[in-house]
Amino acid sequence: AQKVTQAQTEISVVEKEDVTLDCVYETRDTTYYLFWYKQPPSGELVFLIRRNSFDEQNEISGRYSWNFQKSTSSFNFTITASQVVDSAVYFCAPSARENAGNMLTFGGGTRLMVKP
Amino acid sequence: DTGVSQDPRHKITKRGQNVTFRCDPISEHNRLYWYRQTLGQGPEFLTYFQNEAQLEKSRLLSDRFSAERPKGSFSTLEIQRTEQGDSAMYLCASSSLAGVGEQYFGPGTRLTVT
Repeated sequence: AQKVTQAQTEISVVEKEDVTLDCVYETRDTTYYLFWYKQPPSGELVFLIRRNSFDEQNEISGRYSWNFQKSTSSFNFTITASQVVDSAVYFCAPSARENAGNMLTFGGGTRLMVKP
Repeated sequence: DTGVSQDPRHKITKRGQNVTFRCDPISEHNRLYWYRQTLGQGPEFLTYFQNEAQLEKSRLLSDRFSAERPKGSFSTLEIQRTEQGDSAMYLCASSSLAGVGEQYFGPGTRLTVT
């Protein structure tokens, strides 16, 4: 079974600040995928990024970047120059192995509030 | 719009009644998932289909719950003899069979059992 810990339940920042959301996961799978989803107040989960467990190269996509460290089982997500529209609950989710349908195990989420 | 759609968006029912929800996935997606989300929590996996075959069910899915995906297209989730503890948001997601396939979620059906 997989387990996800998002220790930050709520973060409040002022617009234009950078913010990093932490995620620590547990899995027995040797190959897996990690995802970040965003759930704005409207409620619909929005896919943000995906990372393979065998590729630890960190990337930047626009204002988003992520830091994956397999050795510490962490997959942190950073928003640069935050905006009010970034206010949402963010979920980290590893997926199960291929033959389990890649179902997602979600953490409890981190509520991000960006104030103008 | 070719995203995942769910119907109804809201359902209020009395305890003991049966309810059925529908999910229409993105048309070319082979996999379809159901999750349940209670207030303040992350979604929890319930079940998933690959085409018309239901391949995995969570222990959360009691025998009052049944899901189908006839012909590998839309899916229905039925809850029989609803209980107040069934009140939650029921989310449907779909993904492509190719590669890992990030899951795309619908807007959800919010169920309130009174």
